[in-house]
Amino acid sequence: DAGVIQSPRHEVTEMGQEVTLRCKPISGHNSLFWYRQTMMRGLELLIYFNNNVPIDDSGMPEDRFSAKMPNASFSTLKIQPSEPRDSAVYFCASTKRGAGDTQYFGPGTRLTVL
Amino acid sequence: AQSVTQLGSHVSVSEGALVLLRCNYSSSVPPYLFWYVQYPNQGLQLLLKYTTGATLVKGINGFEAEFKKSETSFHLTKPSAHMSDAAEYFCAVSKNQGGKLIFGQGTELSVKP
Repeated sequence: DAGVIQSPRHEVTEMGQEVTLRCKPISGHNSLFWYRQTMMRGLELLIYFNNNVPIDDSGMPEDRFSAKMPNASFSTLKIQPSEPRDSAVYFCASTKRGAGDTQYFGPGTRLTVL
Repeated sequence: AQSVTQLGSHVSVSEGALVLLRCNYSSSVPPYLFWYVQYPNQGLQLLLKYTTGATLVKGINGFEAEFKKSETSFHLTKPSAHMSDAAEYFCAVSKNQGGKLIFGQGTELSVKP
């Protein structure tokens, strides 16, 4: 199994630019989570999907952030416009509800906004 | 609301010594509890989890944790530290299986030779 795949692994962009982070969950998993990790706030959930439907987006910081899951094998997290305070490591995780429910994490995308 | 407190942002032990990483939680419902490990520049890997049943849970790499409801604790232990255990460890709680995880702030474990 390839595990959760995230791309890009590193992204450096300038303030004001649009950033799109991508995630491919483990095949057969039906829940997908986006987390953000910073020194100040630690690991925090941004949004999660069950069967491609957003269930809880209360952690999305503001309207500049949006997430989509058009099908079971792909999700995106978009920031537009980006700001320096968005610099963080963004993790995607997936799980199969009702079958152990362990969340498997991807390697993360390290985002730097200059 | 659920929350997790990890006591000690940094713990240092000698190789071969006992590892004890502390985690306390608050939850209004029976919790599901997890320990994850993060090696530098990598994602999180599950060490062990408690859902129901036996309160002493064994995980990978010789780690174990005990759920103590009366103390609202889920401390992580390993009898003998190895250099390869140096990493950051996160305790997390969820109110249901497959639901969102609430993480503690993490504890960085250093192992001295």
